[in-house]
Amino acid sequence: DAGVTQSPTHLIKTRGQQVTLRCSPKSGHDTVSWYQQALGQGPQFIFQYYEEEERQRGNFPDRFSGHQFPNYSSELNVNALLLGDSALYLCASSLPGLAGVSGNTIYFGEGSWLTVV
Amino acid sequence: QKEVEQNSGPLSVPEGAIASLNCTYSDRGSQSFFWYRQYSGKSPELIMFIYSNGDKEDGRFTAQLNKASQYVSLLIRDSQPSDSATYLCAVFIYSSASKIIFGSGTRLSIRP
Repeated sequence: DAGVTQSPTHLIKTRGQQVTLRCSPKSGHDTVSWYQQALGQGPQFIFQYYEEEERQRGNFPDRFSGHQFPNYSSELNVNALLLGDSALYLCASSLPGLAGVSGNTIYFGEGSWLTVV
Repeated sequence: QKEVEQNSGPLSVPEGAIASLNCTYSDRGSQSFFWYRQYSGKSPELIMFIYSNGDKEDGRFTAQLNKASQYVSLLIRDSQPSDSATYLCAVFIYSSASKIIFGSGTRLSIRP
């Protein structure tokens, strides 16, 4: 049973460029959330996708956008990269509804390390 | 006020002792509570979750929840050097969508 997979694992971009990160959720999961984790910080919620729609969004600018495909996989796009966008980007998958109940837990992928120079 | 607060540490505990990690949260609508362990350079790994007041035990780990005080803790018994990591407290809030809010983590160091 494949867990959450993310690609690429590491990448380096230049300021002003655009980046696309990809995520395949755990088998059976249909909800994908994206988080940004800066060094020394906890993960910060970017947004969540369910049924190919963005259901909720954290406090991130419109430069951050996403998409969910019919097979539940998802992409995170960041435009006009800034140095401050350098972080670990985590994808998490789950079933919709109350997490922590009836075994509905949230699983993270290994993340994509983005460095902006 | 941050939604989820943790002491950043580092918390240093001798091997074999009990490590106690604490977390407070501000949203009374919070419904489930998670503890994740994160080794340096790795993604968070779920240790356990709790959603009812009281204690929940899983091996050497015990999560404690007090919703009235908006407080959740993690106890690690018989601490091992391999327990040295950052521990993230996370709170699940279900409104129009489900999302998890994380604290900034507590660094735990187990000294031999």
